[in-house]
Amino acid sequence: LAKTTQPISMDSYEGQEVNITCSHNNIATNDYITWYQQFPSQGPRFIIQGYKTKVTNEVASLFIPADRKSSTLSLPRVSLSDTAVYYCLVGADTGTASKLTFGTGTRLQVTL
Amino acid sequence: GAVVSQHPSRVICKSGTSVKIECRSLDFQATTMFWYRQFPKQSLMLMATSNEGSKATYEQGVEKDKFLINHASLTLSTLTVTSAHPEDSSFYICSGRASGTYYNEQFFGPGTRLTVL
Repeated sequence: LAKTTQPISMDSYEGQEVNITCSHNNIATNDYITWYQQFPSQGPRFIIQGYKTKVTNEVASLFIPADRKSSTLSLPRVSLSDTAVYYCLVGADTGTASKLTFGTGTRLQVTL
Repeated sequence: GAVVSQHPSRVICKSGTSVKIECRSLDFQATTMFWYRQFPKQSLMLMATSNEGSKATYEQGVEKDKFLINHASLTLSTLTVTSAHPEDSSFYICSGRASGTYYNEQFFGPGTRLTVL
């Protein structure tokens, strides 16, 4: 699986837009980019997935440039409840044996 | 999304005893389940991949005789930590893989906090 690099931590105030960038220089043609969110003492939760360009759902947007060597998770108007660790993962779907490899993640702290 | 439960949510045991953790997919059939371990302030580390009806595949460095995994049905996988020691204290998380909208999507349980005294 392609290795990912993210900032270790980020701070934001409530109501601001937060952008977390992930580098994945060795991404393969068949790899997808997926972001998970994890609150303390809970299992991770799927946020969004994309292959190229832009993907948007009810909670976030994912921006992927043409070369796909990086991606940016955008959280609009964060609230205190968005304080969590955000993981960027890249990998291809190889069937039932597909594994997820979690990197260090980005610890987002939202304050008033 | 699909729901995965774990039981117990928290367990404290004495050194040398064995502990069993259950992972259930409540509203979907999980052909494949995964077990992760997470130490404080660290990322999730995959321990093993479990396919229903077959032996689990362990990641390098994970002792298969210490961490026994059973995946007897499409909705239940169990992890037994045998002869637990304080260094096994950790947060254990399972996940299930189902046919979904997204590639490689896994649905995670709430985790089990194991403390070995």
